[in-house]
Amino acid sequence: KQEVTQIPAALSVPEGENLVLNCSFTDSAIYNLQWFRQDPGKGLTSLLLIQSSQREQTSGRLNASLDKSSGRSTLYIAASQPGDSATYLCAVKETSGSRLTFGEGTQLTVNP
Amino acid sequence: KAGVTQTPRYLIKTRGQQVTLSCSPISGHRSVSWYQQTPGQGLQFLFEYFSETQRNKGNFPGRFSGRQFSNSRSEMNVSTLELGDSALYLCASSLEAGVGLRYTFGSGTRLTVV
Repeated sequence: KQEVTQIPAALSVPEGENLVLNCSFTDSAIYNLQWFRQDPGKGLTSLLLIQSSQREQTSGRLNASLDKSSGRSTLYIAASQPGDSATYLCAVKETSGSRLTFGEGTQLTVNP
Repeated sequence: KAGVTQTPRYLIKTRGQQVTLSCSPISGHRSVSWYQQTPGQGLQFLFEYFSETQRNKGNFPGRFSGRQFSNSRSEMNVSTLELGDSALYLCASSLEAGVGLRYTFGSGTRLTVV
């Protein structure tokens, strides 16, 4: 059974800092990995999608990497802003089936 | 292009009642998945529908059911509500089922069971 773990559970940083969020998964037979952002009480916003054959994806100040063999992904946020404050979730889609398995999320607070 | 629309946004129900939630996917998307989010269990997969057929089901009791219509809109139903069913219910749509495409989520329906 696939298990996804995110570290740290919570992170508080001053504005402007670069930061890294970590995601690990137990079964490397994944199809892709997706990073989401969730604001309080809201749905999920997709940030980056990395296919299993890819090593990284970039969008603006965000960069996500994937090391499938070690079961790890990182989300790098450059020059953090207060508007980045949210919960960040990673989810893996396995090669069999269509469900996403989510981590518990990292709650990020960027202080002005 | 409209996103994934979930209705209603909020619901308050009494234990023992039943509830129906609705999800309209992005136009052209044929796959709709449902997830339950609670503080204790996080996001858990309920089921997925593609072309009116349930393709995959999570580990939830039979009180949780769903269906998909020919226009790809989906509904999920929870019967005999329990306090533990209080959660944010999210649906996600994708072009196809079982393919590594991006899932787009709706804003969710917040269900409170009292």
